Amino acid sequence: AQTIHQWPVAEIKAVGSPLSLGCTIKGKSSPNLYWYWQATGGTLQQLFYSITVGQVESVVQLNLSASRPKDDQFILSTEKLLLSHSGFYLCAWSPGTGGSYEQYFGPGTRLTVL
Amino acid sequence: GEQVEQLPSILRVQEGSSASINCTYENSASNYFPWYKQEPGENPKLIIDIRSNMERKQTQGLIVLLDKKAKRFSLHITDTQPGDSAMYFCATTGGYKVVFGSGTRLLVSP
Repeated sequence: AQTIHQWPVAEIKAVGSPLSLGCTIKGKSSPNLYWYWQATGGTLQQLFYSITVGQVESVVQLNLSASRPKDDQFILSTEKLLLSHSGFYLCAWSPGTGGSYEQYFGPGTRLTVL
Repeated sequence: GEQVEQLPSILRVQEGSSASINCTYENSASNYFPWYKQEPGENPKLIIDIRSNMERKQTQGLIVLLDKKAKRFSLHITDTQPGDSAMYFCATTGGYKVVFGSGTRLLVSP
């Protein structure tokens, strides 16, 4: 069975500080990986997706970047946090090629920027 | 950017009645339409989905309908229970890009 792990569970950071969030998928080779952001009480906004190691596509520009250094790992980062970065960050994976498959979400990381 | 309109934003029903949520989309290339349920503080969980080659799908008290011509799809929950109270999100997928609706808060009262 596939498992998806995100770290850290929660973060409280200062405006202007750097950030790195991680996501690991176990039990599935070559998954499609995704990052989403959800404001408190809001909907999900897709940020990035990756279909293979070393390749990441940006969907929206929110002063964030993403990388996929290993087949099972997806990293979200920024060098300088903004207040607007606060929210719930969710990593997801999907099987198959060509997209348009069901996505399974990790437990999420709750980020508070002060 | 591309949008998915989801209505209503809040839905209050009595236990045992039905609940319906509607979504309309813009991108005619969308070919996969999932629905997610999200409890407070938790991640979204897929509850049912439908592909563009289908018009209706049913599973465990959930029905989803798709009208591609009208670019509209809907979720129907039959015999609602208090445990169905949650946020529900529709989404459209065309390739690797996913657009979510704004969400519906379903409140089921005993």
